[in-house]
Amino acid sequence: ETGVTQTPRHLVMGMTNKKSLKCEQHLGHNAMYWYKQSAKKPLELMFVYSLEERVENNSVPSRFSPECPNSSHLFLHLHTLQPEDSALYLCASSQELAGLHTGELFFGEGSRLTVL
Amino acid sequence: GQNIDQPTEMTATEGAIVQINCTYQTSGFNGLFWYQQHAGEAPTFLSYNVLDGLEEKGRFSSFLSRSKGYSYLLLKELQMKDSASYLCAVAESSGNTPLVFGKGTRLSVIA
Repeated sequence: ETGVTQTPRHLVMGMTNKKSLKCEQHLGHNAMYWYKQSAKKPLELMFVYSLEERVENNSVPSRFSPECPNSSHLFLHLHTLQPEDSALYLCASSQELAGLHTGELFFGEGSRLTVL
Repeated sequence: GQNIDQPTEMTATEGAIVQINCTYQTSGFNGLFWYQQHAGEAPTFLSYNVLDGLEEKGRFSSFLSRSKGYSYLLLKELQMKDSASYLCAVAESSGNTPLVFGKGTRLSVIA
């Protein structure tokens, strides 16, 4: 098993659909993240979970809903998305020290989302 | 807030040396990371600098000047497989937020 795995790798959905992205990390880390990667834009942080509690939202629209049931799993629930939400969604994990984000990020390969 | 700037695209010849620059402005600094991302794949860690100077790791080296808010990634003896995007990312000194990334530099290595 690779360190951080994401499913599905590719997803096409209509604006009225509901779908979920899944991320699993096998590294024993205590923090997990969702990033959005669009063409010609920097990686945008969406959500941060530290010890399974959400600590940062970064003003993401409510049509994106994260869930972190335990320290190894992270979901991103999607509903009524817009075409401009089409992007690569990357999950990452790291080991925080004393609640501080000081460590290297380990990324999954991403879920390529297309909203029609 | 943080502002990170790096060139959008670069092209270099196989066997040559290329330097990818990154400048940053941040309210606090706790290190700079370089990541490599091949098309359709996950970003992977290349280097980390927190003190001034050059860190060498095989064909790749990374340099940091904290006073100038400047870093570069140096790739030697370029190979075709080095064609990828190179992401510069800065860690804030407070540790309250995760890494902030630049837009990335897409490097094309040609024969």
